[in-house]
Amino acid sequence: GENVEQHPSTLSVQEGDSAVIKCTYSDSASNYFPWYKQELGKRPQLIIDIRSNVGEKKDQRIAVTLNKTAKHFSLHITETQPEDSAVYFCAASISSNFGNEKLTFGTGTRLTIIP
Amino acid sequence: DVKVTQSSRYLVKRTGEKVFLECVQDMDHENMFWYRQDPGLGLRLIYFSYDVKMKEKGDIPEGYSVSREKKERFSLILESASTNQTSMYLCASSLLDSGRGTDTQYFGPGTRLTVL
Repeated sequence: GENVEQHPSTLSVQEGDSAVIKCTYSDSASNYFPWYKQELGKRPQLIIDIRSNVGEKKDQRIAVTLNKTAKHFSLHITETQPEDSAVYFCAASISSNFGNEKLTFGTGTRLTIIP
Repeated sequence: DVKVTQSSRYLVKRTGEKVFLECVQDMDHENMFWYRQDPGLGLRLIYFSYDVKMKEKGDIPEGYSVSREKKERFSLILESASTNQTSMYLCASSLLDSGRGTDTQYFGPGTRLTVL
C-alpha cells in the first residue's frame, strides 16, 4: 500500500519568516495530495490540496508544490503568524471517478511560530 | 456547514470491556472513516465505509469492527478493549463525488479513550 513520509517532525520559525514542510509518497499512482491543519485540542481541517494535473497551487499565504517524478510534495507558508502554530499533516490517495478512495497520512509536523 | 459529531469526548474503560464509539454526520455524505491518532504516528485508518452496510479494512483493523446501519451513523466497536487501544479516535466523512474523485474529509472532535 501507499506509504507517506513527512519531515520535519517539529519546526520552529520566527514570526514573519517562511516555513516549509516536505512529504514523499511511494505509490506512483497517487494523484491527490491534501494538507490538513490541526490546532491544539481541535479537529484536523483541510487547508489546501493539489491534484496531479498541476504542479503548484496557491491560496493567500499558503502554497503546495508537487513533483511527480520525484514523488514528493511540499507545503509552503509565507509571512508566518502566531495562528499558524499547529500540527500539519500531509496525505496522499489514488483518486478515481469512483470517489471513495482512502487517504494515507504522514506522521505530522508540529509548527511553532516564535513571536 | 458540515457537522460531524462523536458520542463522547472522553471515555475510560477497563481491559476486556466491549466499547462502542459512535459518529454521526449531517451532510448526507456517503463515505465515513475511523482513524486513531497517536503521537508520532499521525492518523492511521482503521476502517472505512462508502455505503450503508458496506465496510472496508484500513491499515490497522485488528481488534476493531464497525457497523453502518444508517447512512449518517458509523460505529466503531472494540470487542475486548486492551491497554494498547488507548488512543484518540477520530471519525471523518466525505462526499462521494464521482466527478472530482477523492473529496475533502471532515473530521469529528475526537474521542480520547483510556483503557485501564
